[in-house]
Amino acid sequence: DQQVKQNSPSLSVQEGRISILNCDYTNSMFDYFLWYKKYPAEGPTFLISISSIKDKNEDGRFTVFLNKSAKHLSLHIVPSQPGDSAVYFCAAIAGGTSYGKLTFGQGTILTVHP
Amino acid sequence: DTEVTQTPKHLVMGMTNKKSLKCEQHMGHRAMYWYKQKAKKPPELMFVYSYEKLSINESVPSRFSPECPNSSLLNLHLHALQPEDSALYLCASSQEGIRWDRDTEAFFGQGTRLTVV
Repeated sequence: DQQVKQNSPSLSVQEGRISILNCDYTNSMFDYFLWYKKYPAEGPTFLISISSIKDKNEDGRFTVFLNKSAKHLSLHIVPSQPGDSAVYFCAAIAGGTSYGKLTFGQGTILTVHP
Repeated sequence: DTEVTQTPKHLVMGMTNKKSLKCEQHMGHRAMYWYKQKAKKPPELMFVYSYEKLSINESVPSRFSPECPNSSLLNLHLHALQPEDSALYLCASSQEGIRWDRDTEAFFGQGTRLTVV
């Protein structure tokens, strides 16, 4: 049972345009959500997070939106740059008693073309 | 210093070998994790240590044995592995393992690419 889903395996975007990566979850106990970026043969790098009491969080070119009623979140990257090309993982956690168990989505491969 | 350092970066071992993976962080984090990532799959949690005590074991086979000698170090001892155990093993840490709040982040190391032959 996959509790965090990223239904788009890949996304291709032109440099300078907006990249939108989507993530859906099923477990209503999740109350913190994180996005990670991963290059091949490296560990994931934390990008941005959002808690369930907010619907938007911004950090530079990265904005995460959370729609709790739809159990959906998205990561917007504006403007997209070739260096953003990587695999992006959405992760979720139930903050109260989770002992730090992050549940990851399958990942979306983002390719930004010059 | 926001680094989680894992050694070795690559490891090839036979099915009868005993080896250890090491992980170190100096951020004062009190929770440390082992994740396993197979190709084209998301990372999957194996173990969580919180305040140097094992908090979560996600039904991992006993051929994987974690150890947390102190708050900065996490080891994963490997013995009698199978070829299907070949994967990228990721270590992570966060400030607190039990409770997360909006400022909590988990920092990952670069991983150890393990091949079992």
